[in-house]
Amino acid sequence: SQQGEEDPQALSIQEGENATMNCSYKTSINNLQWYRQNSGRGLVHLILIRSNEREKHSGRLRVTLDTSKKSSSLLITASRAADTASYFCATDEFLNRDDKIIFGKGTRLHILP
Amino acid sequence: DAGVTQSPTHLIKTRGQQVTLRCSPKSGHDTVSWYQQALGQGPQFIFQYYEEEERQRGNFPDRFSGHQFPNYSSELNVNALLLGDSALYLCASSLLARGGTEAFFGQGTRLTVV
Repeated sequence: SQQGEEDPQALSIQEGENATMNCSYKTSINNLQWYRQNSGRGLVHLILIRSNEREKHSGRLRVTLDTSKKSSSLLITASRAADTASYFCATDEFLNRDDKIIFGKGTRLHILP
Repeated sequence: DAGVTQSPTHLIKTRGQQVTLRCSPKSGHDTVSWYQQALGQGPQFIFQYYEEEERQRGNFPDRFSGHQFPNYSSELNVNALLLGDSALYLCASSLLARGGTEAFFGQGTRLTVV
């Protein structure tokens, strides 16, 4: 079963614009992570945000976490063609306290030239 | 420092056959997890190995089995292949720690069952 659900399923924006993707999940978590995947290849880890954190930055990436709403958002600023990829949120379950991570179905981001 | 490596990169098998996929974790990591990703879907958790034992398992039949070796590398075995087993199989390694750490993924093995 999938814990997270990304929204939207697909997103097309012009190069230079900002892209925002959202993730909702069902159970309490220890951490939430965002991954990028290019053309069905391996997943690249982007950022991890812990349940006691509300916002985190890494380069052009900004992640927020709202545990009361069980949701997270990933903002990519000043998008580039190379950002075209699928983006997944992944969570672990608090009660389990193990590092098995569960993925959503992903958002397919397409940056238009 | 090599990251997570998987072999082979592509594989074609016939329905009913058996397959073994291999994974070498990132240096210093002790935990290996396997995922199945169907086209257009997110990765689905198969199982996780730590200290040569299966720690956790997802909702996959017994046809899916695995092994972890003393050097932390791992194998995924699938018996009696079905057409529906065609997918990208991803291996992830991590360092077991309460509170969670990021997992590093290999490039995957693309399995096609015909």
